[in-house]
Amino acid sequence: GAVVSQHPSWVICKSGTSVKIECRSLDFQATTMFWYRQFPKQSLMLMATSNEGSKATYEQGVEKDKFLINHASLTLSTLTVTSAHPEDSSFYICSARVPGLTEAFFGQGTRLTVV
Amino acid sequence: AQTVTQSQPEMSVQEAETVTLSCTYDTSENNYYLFWYKQPPSRQMILVIRQEAYKQQNATENRFSVNFQKAAKSFSLKISDSQLGDTAMYFCAFMKRNTGNQFYFGTGTSLTVIP
Repeated sequence: GAVVSQHPSWVICKSGTSVKIECRSLDFQATTMFWYRQFPKQSLMLMATSNEGSKATYEQGVEKDKFLINHASLTLSTLTVTSAHPEDSSFYICSARVPGLTEAFFGQGTRLTVV
Repeated sequence: AQTVTQSQPEMSVQEAETVTLSCTYDTSENNYYLFWYKQPPSRQMILVIRQEAYKQQNATENRFSVNFQKAAKSFSLKISDSQLGDTAMYFCAFMKRNTGNQFYFGTGTSLTVIP
């Protein structure tokens, strides 16, 4: 199957700093990628849809100035959590669809801890 | 808006036995896909099975099968001959066809296979 690689797997940062998470499609081109947030023992909540070459589409309630998304190429989308606070601590997962296929392929996820 | 409901937060099954996980959804769409994803302790999301709404035949993948009742908007997953490696969170997901490609996930069912 298609491979989506997410980096880093885990990161610890201090309050007030910014952290960038990368999502790469390794063996296919993804014009659209998706970013999810998952709290412990809860479901995946869609944060935003990342579109190559254009602005991301954010779900209601997601602060676009706090969660900056850049989809600069067909194989890379980045999520930057700006001015991180402890309440931003969570598990972040990206996904992408292979053109022509229906299912989504997911990255390994990134566990963010803000101290 | 689409909603996906999984009414069983936790379930357990004896190894080699059969278990059924429930999922209902609400949509006004007619063309869509349904999925079951598995999330083991590694947190990597893995596709278990998918169903196209326009197909009446229930999807089957080895030990995994679904009971798709379109009129009732029900999409249950049956796992036969349960194995220890089946222990995971299972998420039911909905995707509209041809629009946005966003996935909507249920709240998940934590399945434990008991030796």
